[in-house]
Amino acid sequence: EAGVVQSPRYKIIEKKQPVAFWCNPISGHNTLYWYRQNLGQGPELLIRYENEEAVDDSQLPKDRFSAERLKGVDSTLKIQPAELGDSAVYLCASSRSGAGNTIYFGEGSWLTVV
Amino acid sequence: GNSVTQMEGPVTLSEEAFLTINCTYTATGYPSLFWYVQYPGEGLQLLLKATKADDKGSNKGFEATYRKETTSFHLEKGSVQVSDSAVYFCALSPTGANSKLTFGKGITLSVRP
Repeated sequence: EAGVVQSPRYKIIEKKQPVAFWCNPISGHNTLYWYRQNLGQGPELLIRYENEEAVDDSQLPKDRFSAERLKGVDSTLKIQPAELGDSAVYLCASSRSGAGNTIYFGEGSWLTVV
Repeated sequence: GNSVTQMEGPVTLSEEAFLTINCTYTATGYPSLFWYVQYPGEGLQLLLKATKADDKGSNKGFEATYRKETTSFHLEKGSVQVSDSAVYFCALSPTGANSKLTFGKGITLSVRP
């Protein structure tokens, strides 16, 4: 069974430029998450989807970040414009719906803003 | 709110040494507790979990026991190997919620031959 697939793995952009990350969750997983992991820290939830609905986006900086999950499968996370402080690893994860289900993570997209 | 506190790192051990990584948590109710591991160049992987008090999670020789009275979930392994070198994250998921993880800062373990 394929795991969570993310792209690109690495991205270097100049500040004020836009960037987008793509995620394909594990087949059959209705719940999709985007986490941000700063250097030396644990991941922090940005947004959680149940199918195509964003059910928890309280930690998403909505002035510059946006996300979508059309058709309830793949998802895209966008930053526009990027700031130096956005340099981090952006992790996508998925799970089956419901409490107690294991969350599976992708390898992450490493963003450096210069 | 919910939070997870891990001991400060990094930790360096010799092969076959005993490992303990401390983790304590703050949460209402009875959260589920997890240890995730991140090997170099790879994504986060679930190592083990426990869903109720006194449960012991175990995998790959690692163990952790859910201690409600001390709000702890310490990770242990009797004899570490070089291949255990990784970053270890303790995490919790609140009671009754869809799986939504709150992570600790993580600790880097290096095992030397």
